[in-house]
Amino acid sequence: EPEVTQTPSHQVTQMGQEVILRCVPISNHLYFYWYRQILGQKVEFLVSFYNNEISEKSEIFDDQFSVERPDGSNFTLKIRSTKLEDSAMYFCATLQGAGPMNTEAFFGQGTRLTVV
Amino acid sequence: AQRVTQPEKLLSVFKGAPVELKCNYSYSGSPELFWYVQYSRQRLQLLLRHISRESIKGFTADLNKGETSFHLKKPFAQEEDSAMYYCAPLNRDDKIIFGKGTRLHILP
Repeated sequence: EPEVTQTPSHQVTQMGQEVILRCVPISNHLYFYWYRQILGQKVEFLVSFYNNEISEKSEIFDDQFSVERPDGSNFTLKIRSTKLEDSAMYFCATLQGAGPMNTEAFFGQGTRLTVV
Repeated sequence: AQRVTQPEKLLSVFKGAPVELKCNYSYSGSPELFWYVQYSRQRLQLLLRHISRESIKGFTADLNKGETSFHLKKPFAQEEDSAMYYCAPLNRDDKIIFGKGTRLHILP
């Protein structure tokens, strides 16, 4: 069964450094999302991406964050100048979106980002 | 403002007892509604959606547009139901918003 793959599974970085989190979506999916979950808190929407551009972003997704699909397959989240409060689990999700029954979101296993 | 409310952070239920996880939403238009589940050490996955009106693992959820609720129910809880449950509407902008989640703990 196809699944969403995220790398790395765990990333430790020093405060102020840049990190890139990678996601390989399911191949025929059209919508891509990043979510984060700070320990003990709810899953928070960061950004949605469709047709090679951001379709919506949350207040959390400020200039520190960016997303792209550099090669048409990987979907990346870049966090510049990381802060301690960026430490969280980051989930990628994809959704096919073509047709009313194709609205199930498939999630990656997550990347745990630890900023020290 | 679009909002999802799951009032219970933790729900402890004895095995064999009925379960009801509450979800209320505040959305314009008619969102498509889902329940997602996260079992220990597993990824978030779809449990069920209102559009298909099916029962998955004994769970059902009825959309009540008058009360704007989409509560998740199961008549007899099983130990393997212990997990984190998220109510999640998908709006017209194709943005999935998750509620705060309810941790369901099934007591033996």
